[in-house]
Parts: sequence; C-alpha cells; structure tokens
Amino acid sequence: AQSVTQLGSHVSVSEGALVLLRCNYSSSVPPYLFWYVQYPNQGLQLLLKYTSAATLVKGINGFEAEFKKSETSFHLTKPSAHMSDAAEYFCAVRHGSSNTGKLIFGQGTTLQVKP
Amino acid sequence: EPEVTQTPSHQVTQMGQEVILRCVPISNHLYFYWYRQILGQKVEFLVSFYNNEISEKSEIFDDQFSVERPDGSNFTLKIRSTKLEDSAMYFCASSGQGAGELFFGEGSRLTVL
Repeated sequence: AQSVTQLGSHVSVSEGALVLLRCNYSSSVPPYLFWYVQYPNQGLQLLLKYTSAATLVKGINGFEAEFKKSETSFHLTKPSAHMSDAAEYFCAVRHGSSNTGKLIFGQGTTLQVKP
Repeated sequence: EPEVTQTPSHQVTQMGQEVILRCVPISNHLYFYWYRQILGQKVEFLVSFYNNEISEKSEIFDDQFSVERPDGSNFTLKIRSTKLEDSAMYFCASSGQGAGELFFGEGSRLTVL
C-alpha cells in the first residue's frame, strides 16, 4: 500500500528566503509523485509531477522537486519565496502501473510567507 | 484551457436530506474521481469511476453514497441521507489515458445543519 507523509503541518519563511516542504512516500512499486497547491477557497492545482523520467522535476511558479529513491523522498523547493506562494501544499502518490489508481494525499503543509 | 467544473459551489442542507453534487469533467478524459476535504484535514479519496462503473472506492463511500454518469458529460455524486459529518468540500477530478495527473475542479462546499 502506498502512503505519503509530509513533515511539518506549518512552515513559515520570510519573503525571498528558501522554501523547503518535505514529503516522504511509501510504495512497493515505482511511484508517480505529485505536488499540488491549494490557494484559499480554491481547488487543487498541479505544481509538478514525477513519472520516472528525470529525477529533478521543474514545475510552475519556480518550484521544483527532486525524487530520491534512496531516501524515499520528494521534497518541494523554491529558491526565493514570494508573498503569493502562501497556500496549502499537498504531496501525493499514485500507483505507477495503473491509470485507474487513486491519488493518496499527504496531510498538507501550510506555507506562510512573511514580509 | 480545458477545466473541470463543479456545481453548486456551496450547498446548505438539512440533515437527512438528499444532495446531488455535479461535475463536468474535461471532455476527452476517461477516468473520474470524487475526493472530499473536511475543514482543516487532508484530501481523502472517495471513489474512482471508469467505463461506466466504479473501479475503486474507499471505506468512506458507504451505501449512502452513489455516483453516476447520466449522460456523456456530467458526473454526479449523490448522498442519500446527509449527516452532519458529511459537511466538507467535495472535489471532482478527471484524468486522461496515461496522463498521470488528476485535474481537479474548484470544489463544492457542503454544509449539513
């Protein structure tokens, strides 16, 4: 069975500082991994995805994530935080061999960006 | 850009009433999903639907819940007799063949009084 753990339910950074949101997964088969962002009162928007191609994945809004199999991690980073990055971020895993496989979400991390 | 649309955006209902939440998935997608998010909690899988039948459902998706694709465009979630604990944001999602990611709608907020 797959699962996702996001370390830290709240992360606070200053504007311009590095953003690091942690995600560790558990999967018995090669996973597909995703990061979604949820702005207040909005739906889930895909930031980026890993589907067994390049281990460093670049997404929208300057975010990127690196798949590290040895650490079973898929941490999300951004070199310089912007006020508009304040949102809820969800890491998710999906069974790699089936397109009907559901997404399993982590608990979410709220990113606060201070001026 | 194609998007998943959901109606209503917010529905308030009395406990015991039936509720139908509607979704229009992206037109060429084949796989459809419902998720829910109770306020302050994680996004939880409810059900997946493919080829006009449920392909997987969670333990949350009990006999009070049903899904239907009544025509070529809509995908609905029905809750037969709502309970207070059904209050949540319900998200519809769809995906295309081999696409990998799910595309989510804006959600329908259900409040049960």
